[in-house]
Amino acid sequence: NAGVMQNPRHLVRRRGQEARLRCSPMKGHSHVYWYRQLPEEGLKFMVYLQKENIIDESGMPKERFSAEFPKEGPSILRIQQVVRGDSAAYFCASSPTGQSNQPQHFGDGTRLSIL
Amino acid sequence: DAKTTQPNSMESNEEEPVHLPCNHSTISGTDYIHWYRQLPSQGPEYVIHGLTSNVNNRMASLAIAEDRKSSTLILHRATLRDAAVYYCILRGAPGGGTSYGKLTFGQGTILTVHP
Repeated sequence: NAGVMQNPRHLVRRRGQEARLRCSPMKGHSHVYWYRQLPEEGLKFMVYLQKENIIDESGMPKERFSAEFPKEGPSILRIQQVVRGDSAAYFCASSPTGQSNQPQHFGDGTRLSIL
Repeated sequence: DAKTTQPNSMESNEEEPVHLPCNHSTISGTDYIHWYRQLPSQGPEYVIHGLTSNVNNRMASLAIAEDRKSSTLILHRATLRDAAVYYCILRGAPGGGTSYGKLTFGQGTILTVHP
C-alpha cells in the first residue's frame, strides 16, 4: 500500500514564477492536509481539504496561495509570484476521515527553493 | 487551543529505554493525545495516540496519567534511528476548544541517541 506521494521532491523557482506542489494521498484517504516548515522553524498548518471542499484554510496566507483537491487526481498547492520567503519544505498528509482518533500519514515533502 | 509542554531536548544511550514527557494541563475530556516524530530531512511520522488508557504498539508505548494532565512516550530500547524531534499533540472533537482536523505542532523534544 503506497504511502502519501509528493512531487516534485525538490523544486527551484525564480522570484515571480509560479510553484505547483502535488500530493497524492494514501489509497482510500479522502482528507488531505498541507503544512509548511520554514528553515529552522516548526511545522505550521496551512490548509485542510476533503474531496472538492476546503474545510479549514486558517493557516493559508491571504494572497498568492491556493489549494485544491479535485474529485479526480492529486491535491495541488499553488503559489503564485513566489518570493524568497516562500522557500520552505511543504508537507502533505492524509487520513481516511477527519476524526481526532485517526492518525495523519505524511509524505516526504517538497523542498521549494526560490532564487 | 489546549497546549502541550515538552522539554527542549533529551539524550539517551543506544539500547536503553527513553521516557519522553509531555504536560497538557488544559486538556479537554474529548482530546486525544497524539505523538509524532520527525527524522532529519523527512516528513513527520505517526508514532502512537491514546485517550485515557495506556497504549502499546510496535514502535512505542504511551502512558497517560490518571488525570490526563500529562503523558509519557516510552521507547523501550532506543536505537540510533530513533534520533528525531518528538511532538506531543492534542486533537479534539469538532466544535471543541482544541484543534480539529489540523495538527498543531509545538517545538517538540529533540532526542539524541548516543552509540
